Amino acid sequence: EAQVTQNPRYLITVTGKKLTVTCSQNMNHEYMSWYRQDPGLGLRQIYYSMNVEVTDKGDVPEGYKVSRKEKRNFPLILESPSPNQTSLYFCASSLQGLNEQFFGPGTRLTVL
Amino acid sequence: SQELEQSPQSLIVQEGKNLTINCTSSKTLYGLYWYKQKYGEGLIFLMMLQKGGEEKSHEKITAKLDEKKQQSSLHITASQPSHAGIYLCGADPTTSGTYKYIFGTGTRLKVLA
Repeated sequence: EAQVTQNPRYLITVTGKKLTVTCSQNMNHEYMSWYRQDPGLGLRQIYYSMNVEVTDKGDVPEGYKVSRKEKRNFPLILESPSPNQTSLYFCASSLQGLNEQFFGPGTRLTVL
Repeated sequence: SQELEQSPQSLIVQEGKNLTINCTSSKTLYGLYWYKQKYGEGLIFLMMLQKGGEEKSHEKITAKLDEKKQQSSLHITASQPSHAGIYLCGADPTTSGTYKYIFGTGTRLKVLA
């Protein structure tokens, strides 16, 4: 089944404790992206990747890192999480940058 | 920078009623995506519109991009409880010259049985 998977689905952590949210797709898509969704602010892009080793900032990249070492994986790294990073995070992929995106199920992160 | 404004922000309709959601851009749209999200879940692609005046339909949902390409509307005919969720419009990233996507803040739809 074609899908985008994210892990973990739920995470409660404390300020400053490094964490990684994994994202994997099995559709051989070139484009992958991370978003965060917050009430009243909608869906905002954090980082995106056009292909392996090619990443670029979205609208809200501060406090996040990404890497794209393999085509299928695009992990989101929070080196020192803060409470303002409490949010619902989505990973998405598409064949190329201008096609429909397939979204993962979301990761609900709470930073205390 | 480009912004997408959706209206209304929320909508409650009786089952069987028609409804329209609008997405207005601050700049010309070169492509517009509509997605549906069930509460707390991932987004599901509905339709993509690229040409001014283009109209697409899927089951009871019709979306249109106006001639001036600064507004899109999503129309649901004879709404059903299964239509409930959050509808988001997203802009083709090439409008920004990069591959950055932007989305509207969403319209929450509730359909009363």
